[in-house]
Amino acid sequence: EVHLVESGGGLVNPGGSLRLSCAASGFTFSSYSMNWVRHAPGKGLEWVSSISSTSTYIYYADSVKGRFTISRDNAKNSLYLQMNSLRAEDTAVYYCVRDGKVPAASINYFDHWGQGTLVTVSS
Amino acid sequence: DIQMTQSPSTLSASVGDRVTITCRASQSINRWLAWYQQKPGKAPKLLIYKASSLESGVPSRFSGSGSGTEFTLTISSLQPDDFATYYCQQYDSYSTFGQGTKVEVK
Repeated sequence: EVHLVESGGGLVNPGGSLRLSCAASGFTFSSYSMNWVRHAPGKGLEWVSSISSTSTYIYYADSVKGRFTISRDNAKNSLYLQMNSLRAEDTAVYYCVRDGKVPAASINYFDHWGQGTLVTVSS
Repeated sequence: DIQMTQSPSTLSASVGDRVTITCRASQSINRWLAWYQQKPGKAPKLLIYKASSLESGVPSRFSGSGSGTEFTLTISSLQPDDFATYYCQQYDSYSTFGQGTKVEVK
């Protein structure tokens, strides 16, 4: 069974940094592209970033480009999101999400989601 | 950027009703569209991908159709477990979600 478990969320001041992690199990992590999707309170879902299986292709939403960095460690079955220069509008539940198609060089639909980790940016 | 617009934003329905949700793209996305169901406090669940392909394990009362810029999600006979918020997602160019449609009890 596919299992994705996020960690690293919490309360951070505007301008601060946070690093999210996602531990994956139940599938061959190194074969799949992975993504981060967020859900701000009272708003809809927003795709944040994607990384291909070998980290060759990396994509970001315009809203986080230059501030967030996605990475992965296939030896540790782990996905990461380094978030810098955080703003109030980055407050959201962040989901670690598996791409539904393998192999993939572009973004696809998302077939498995973690339970999410809450990031709150506030002074 | 491709914008996705869902309608309606809220839909009031009863158990047994046929429910249809529409999603429009600001430009053609071929059939690169997925639908998700989300309940409060839970992660979204994939229902449909490539406009009309039913994800494994999803009940057959859910169906999707459309291509280009206009798509629909249909629930043929609404069940108590189906009251939730539904999102469409385009993955033709990067990825964008619609704003969501909440299906509530009439």
